[in-house]
Formats: sequence, C-alpha cells, structure tokens
Amino acid sequence: ETGVTQTPRHLVMGMTNKKSLKCEQHLGHNAMYWYKQSAKKPLELMFVYNFKEQTENNSVPSRFSPECPNSSHLFLHLHTLQPEDSALYLCASSQGAWDEDYYGYTFGSGTRLTVV
Amino acid sequence: QKEVEQNSGPLSVPEGAIASLNCTYSDRGSQSFFWYRQYSGKSPELIMFIYSNGDKEDGRFTAQLNKASQYVSLLIRDSQPSDSATYLCAVNLDYGGSQGNLIFGKGTKLSVKP
Repeated sequence: ETGVTQTPRHLVMGMTNKKSLKCEQHLGHNAMYWYKQSAKKPLELMFVYNFKEQTENNSVPSRFSPECPNSSHLFLHLHTLQPEDSALYLCASSQGAWDEDYYGYTFGSGTRLTVV
Repeated sequence: QKEVEQNSGPLSVPEGAIASLNCTYSDRGSQSFFWYRQYSGKSPELIMFIYSNGDKEDGRFTAQLNKASQYVSLLIRDSQPSDSATYLCAVNLDYGGSQGNLIFGKGTKLSVKP
C-alpha cells in the first residue's frame, strides 16, 4: 500500500464505548498528525508526533488519547466521547521539518465519527 | 492567535472562466503557503505550494504570494466542473528545521457551472 491509510472509514459509537482510530503511512515521513474537521470550522490540529515523540497537544480533552508506537503508525484512542465530538478525523504525515524537501502534508482518507 | 482567513463562498464561476481564491494570514513570520483541494466527503489533497513572493504556475493553477500584504491567492484558469470543491489555504508558521505544523483556513467553496 502507498500513502496514508486510515481505518475505519466510518465509526458510530455510544458515549460509554471505547474505540480506536488507526493511521499508517508508507511514505517514510517523520511526523504524523491528528486533525479534527467539523462542519463550518477550520481543520483543528489535535496532536503532533515527530520521530514518534509527541511535540504538540493542542489542548485536547483527555477523552482523546494518542499513541505513536513508531514513525509509521499513529492511533487515537477514544473513550466517553460526547455528541459534539462527532466529526471527520484526519491523519496526516509530513517530512516533519521545514526545509527544501518539505511539501506539506499528505492526508489519509479520514474516519467519519458519529457519537450517539 | 495566529489565523488564516478565507472567504467561505460559495464562489460560482462559469465553465472556462478564471476562478480567483484569496487568503490572508496574520503572522508575518509565516514562511510557506499551501493550497489544498477537498472534494465533498474526501480528504484534502495538495495542489500547490509557494515559498517566495511572486507567482508560481503549475498547469491551470497559479499561486500568488505577497508577504508584505500577508496575502496569498490561487487562480484556476479554464475552470472545469471537476474543479468544484472546497479550497483550503494553509500556512506553515515555522522555519529553519523546526516543526512543520500547518494552520488551515476554513476553506472557500468553489462551484463551476457548465
């Protein structure tokens, strides 16, 4: 496989459930990101990992818990979510540093999450 | 707070016309600028990036950057119905080997009418 792969594509979960989103990149990138995209809002940066170390947590509630076991895999563990957490969750990867080889992000196809 | 502003649209242009999409940013330290296209229900895909003042052309697309005015635009020549999508402007606030985080605007929805 090539690019950035996210699973599942769609997820419906109750507020008491625990689930995980998975992201895998096959581009040799060093950085991986979780973004949240809600209707009428800009893409919101949630977490950043650079060489599997978390470098940014953008004031995300603790009911979202990221995990990055290596530079190619990224997870987002979900528990006791609220209906307002329903959104498209996007994973992305990049070179991780701005230099002449930096070409922005490559996004995965996203997970459409609905919390009921 | 560092911000990226776009007119949400919708911007409607006839097929074959030039579509002009605009973006302003608040941080004068911004160094690199990206345009992503997002079709409904899909993830964003990179179409253009620009680092230096002036114009950069790639096929039917031209990105224009004016750092003094903190303004970046995207022109789409000979617009096609398949160009109908939301266009996201993104700005990299870091420079010189540091983290490559992007800040996104809300996006401009473009509709190209046949």
